[in-house]
Amino acid sequence: AQKVTQAQTEISVVEKEDVTLDCVYETRDTTYYLFWYKQPPSGELVFLIRRNSFDEQNEISGRYSWNFQKSTSSFNFTITASQVVDSAVYFCALSEAGSGNTGKLIFGQGTTLQVKP
Amino acid sequence: NAGVMQNPRHLVRRRGQEARLRCSPMKGHSHVYWYRQLPEEGLKFMVYLQKENIIDESGMPKERFSAEFPKEGPSILRIQQVVRGDSAAYFCASSPRTSGGGTEQFFGPGTRLTVL
Repeated sequence: AQKVTQAQTEISVVEKEDVTLDCVYETRDTTYYLFWYKQPPSGELVFLIRRNSFDEQNEISGRYSWNFQKSTSSFNFTITASQVVDSAVYFCALSEAGSGNTGKLIFGQGTTLQVKP
Repeated sequence: NAGVMQNPRHLVRRRGQEARLRCSPMKGHSHVYWYRQLPEEGLKFMVYLQKENIIDESGMPKERFSAEFPKEGPSILRIQQVVRGDSAAYFCASSPRTSGGGTEQFFGPGTRLTVL
């Protein structure tokens, strides 16, 4: 069965601190995709990254970086030098790509990040 | 190039009424997904549709909920005889091609349904 676990319900940091949001997933498929979305207080969903299961290279985009480790089934997200505007709920999601899959996203429960000035 | 559009953005209904939520996918997209976000929870998949076909409705409640995506016009998520537990944010996402997984889904702004 597929499942995404974000064990951290809420995280509070002070501006300029680094913060890592954890994501652990379960799947039986050998081909799958992992995503991160941001949901700011305004409520919309903002796509951050997509990663396929064959690409374990870490990725960096500005202050954001992602660490994908198949050995531990984790896809963690780090924000460096956090800013108040980073305050949001962050969701990790899984999409299985094997035969018969329809591409639906399986979301974790989300981690609420509060960055204080 | 307009994004995914959902209307209304906010909808208030009394118990027992019907709620109709609309989703217009991005231009050129013929695949639509509906997700529900209950208060303080993550998003849960409800249904996946292509034009005129329901492909996967494994996440839809068995009663009162239905969805369609006609040849012309938006996709509709219909909730009959709403109850307080239906209060949630309903998100629609569209995709440009058949998803074997991994195809990026573009999300609309959501419809916040409140049942009084």
